[in-house]
Amino acid sequence: DAGITQSPRHKVTETGTPVTLRCHQTENHRYMYWYRQDPGHGLRLIHYSYGVKDTDKGEVSDGYSVSRSKTEDFLLTLESATSSQTSVYFCAISTSPLGDEKLFFGSGTQLSVL
Amino acid sequence: EDQVTQSPEALRLQEGESSSLNCSYTVSGLRGLFWYRQDPGKGPEFLFTLYSAGEEKEKERLKATLTKKESFLHITAPKPEDSATYLCAVGTNFGNEKLTFGTGTRLTIIP
Repeated sequence: DAGITQSPRHKVTETGTPVTLRCHQTENHRYMYWYRQDPGHGLRLIHYSYGVKDTDKGEVSDGYSVSRSKTEDFLLTLESATSSQTSVYFCAISTSPLGDEKLFFGSGTQLSVL
Repeated sequence: EDQVTQSPEALRLQEGESSSLNCSYTVSGLRGLFWYRQDPGKGPEFLFTLYSAGEEKEKERLKATLTKKESFLHITAPKPEDSATYLCAVGTNFGNEKLTFGTGTRLTIIP
């Protein structure tokens, strides 16, 4: 299995509070991604990174920010959580740009915003 | 707009009963079509990549095929451990890379 660790695995928080999810990889892959998965929707890209301090928005980036200060760590922050951000969040890594090669996924973080 | 549609949404089969899952797509500039398997509570796990029409890939009881409009995941003589959600994703847009996922087919194999 690819060395991807997401933390926490589960989190319950209240509306309006900040939340940070962490993705840590030991594969030294250049590209890292944050997705959310909701019933009735395919996996949707929130933000991605193509290198240290190089990040860009995905299709559902509103309300989220990211940071990548080291190759191995990619943080996703919900500045002020809302109930619509209740979801399962997956981190993924790859060696090539999106759609060229396979993605390796972490085990996910189940986030509930009450 | 790129679209990926998977059917059926759910499929229940008896152990040993072969069937196929469908992934139809409408995209500009196909770069690759990917199949993933997802078990409950886990992240998707890569199965296959197909790059051009006519291409086929096999792994154990699974075989993926690709045409210009759709891909099939054929499951031959499935076992209960093949129960999972199968996701299809399409990579598109050279120069503005994008990966669009379908909503998946939930497969249940009954012993």
